Amino acid sequence: KQEVTQIPAALSVPEGENLVLNCSFTDSAIYNLQWFRQDPGKGLTSLLLIQSSQREQTSGRLNASLDKSSGRSTLYIAASQPGDSATYLCAVRPGDSSYKLIFGSGTRLLVRP
Amino acid sequence: DTAVSQTPKYLVTQMGNDKSIKCEQNLGHDTMYWYKQDSKKFLKIMFSYNNKELIINETVPNRFSPKSPDKAHLNLHINSLELGDSAVYFCASSPPRTGGLDEQFFGPGTRLTVL
Repeated sequence: KQEVTQIPAALSVPEGENLVLNCSFTDSAIYNLQWFRQDPGKGLTSLLLIQSSQREQTSGRLNASLDKSSGRSTLYIAASQPGDSATYLCAVRPGDSSYKLIFGSGTRLLVRP
Repeated sequence: DTAVSQTPKYLVTQMGNDKSIKCEQNLGHDTMYWYKQDSKKFLKIMFSYNNKELIINETVPNRFSPKSPDKAHLNLHINSLELGDSAVYFCASSPPRTGGLDEQFFGPGTRLTVL
C-alpha cells in the first residue's frame, strides 16, 4: 500500500533563505508526482508535476526533483519570500493505473520578513 | 476564467439532513474527482469518474452518491449527514492520462459543517 510522508511537518525560515521540503513514498511504482501549495482556507494550487521518467522540473524559483528508486522527491525554493508562506503538499499517482492521487500530510512553511 | 468551480463554498447543516455539492470544470478534462480533507488537513480520494463513469470508490459510505450528468460536471450528494462528515470537500479534474501528464487541478473547496 502506497504511503506518502512529508518532513518536516512545519518549517520557519527568514526571508531570503533557500530551503528544501522533503517527500518520501513507499512504493516506487508511481506514474507521476505532483507538488501543490495550499493557502489557509483555500484550494490547492498545482506547482509542479514530474513524470516518472523525469528527474526534475523547474518553475521560476521552484525546483522539484524525483528519485523513484529511493522513493524520494524534494521541492527546492530559492530566495524565499513571505508570500511563499503556505502548506506544501506532495502527492503521487500510483503506477497501478489508479485514477487518484495519494497525498502526504504536508509541510507548513512560514517565511518571516 | 478556465477553472474548476464548486458551489456552495460553505455549507452548514443539521445532522440527518441531505445535501449536495456541485462541481463544474471548463478545462475540457475527461476525469473528475472528489477528495475529502479532514480536520487534520489530510486529503484523501473519495471518487474518480472518467468520461462520466465511476472508476474509483474508495470505501466511501453509500450515503455519499456522486453523479456525473456530463463530462464537465461531477456532483456529490450526501444523505443522512453525520457529525463525522464535517470536512472540506475538494473537486478536481485532469486531462487524459498520456505519458504521465495528467496533472490534477483542484476547485476552491466546500467547507461542510454538520451540527
